[in-house]
Amino acid sequence: TQLLEQSPQFLSIQEGENLTVYCNSSSVFSSLQWYRQEPGEGPVLLVTVVTGGEVKKLKRLTFQFGDARKDSSLHITAAQPGDTGLYLCAGRSGTYKYIFGTGTRLKVLA
Amino acid sequence: EAQVTQNPRYLITVTGKKLTVTCSQNMNHEYMSWYRQDPGLGLRQIYYSMNVEVTDKGDVPEGYKVSRKEKRNFPLILESPSPNQTSLYFCASSYTGTGGLEAFFGQGTRLTVV
Repeated sequence: TQLLEQSPQFLSIQEGENLTVYCNSSSVFSSLQWYRQEPGEGPVLLVTVVTGGEVKKLKRLTFQFGDARKDSSLHITAAQPGDTGLYLCAGRSGTYKYIFGTGTRLKVLA
Repeated sequence: EAQVTQNPRYLITVTGKKLTVTCSQNMNHEYMSWYRQDPGLGLRQIYYSMNVEVTDKGDVPEGYKVSRKEKRNFPLILESPSPNQTSLYFCASSYTGTGGLEAFFGQGTRLTVV
């Protein structure tokens, strides 16, 4: 069974700090996505990375796909309270299957 | 507005009483799927459908059924619910283009089986 492990599981930081969330697997994925989920809502897509080594930026968020396409990271610069939420990575396995990570719950304190 | 609509949002039922959670999307997506989300276990795929009349099992299909008779709808059926199916359920739809299966999720159905 393919697994995607995220670390850390929980993170509580002060506004303005930087942080990095990791998503690791022993399996290769054809693409990887990051989602953010807020309480009572479904996950919302942030980004998709497809090519090994790819880096994408979304305002203060930087996403990187590992060279071997087995891992990814999400870096947030100068975190804000609005960044609070559950961050999920998801790998595309085969043509139609998704594997989701266990999630990183981030709380940014004002 | 592009959206995935699930109903109901909340449901409390008793063991063994058949139930259906509906899911509808207005984006003409080919791909739809169901997930359950449990604390510490993340989102796990129950079933998915690549197109009308084409479905396949995900990682945790036991105790669930699905059907895809029309493109926009993908209901999840629990023939005989049990307490271990108490969970938060999400339906998602995607366009099966190249790259990732960028998924649009519904708002979730919180199911409690007593």
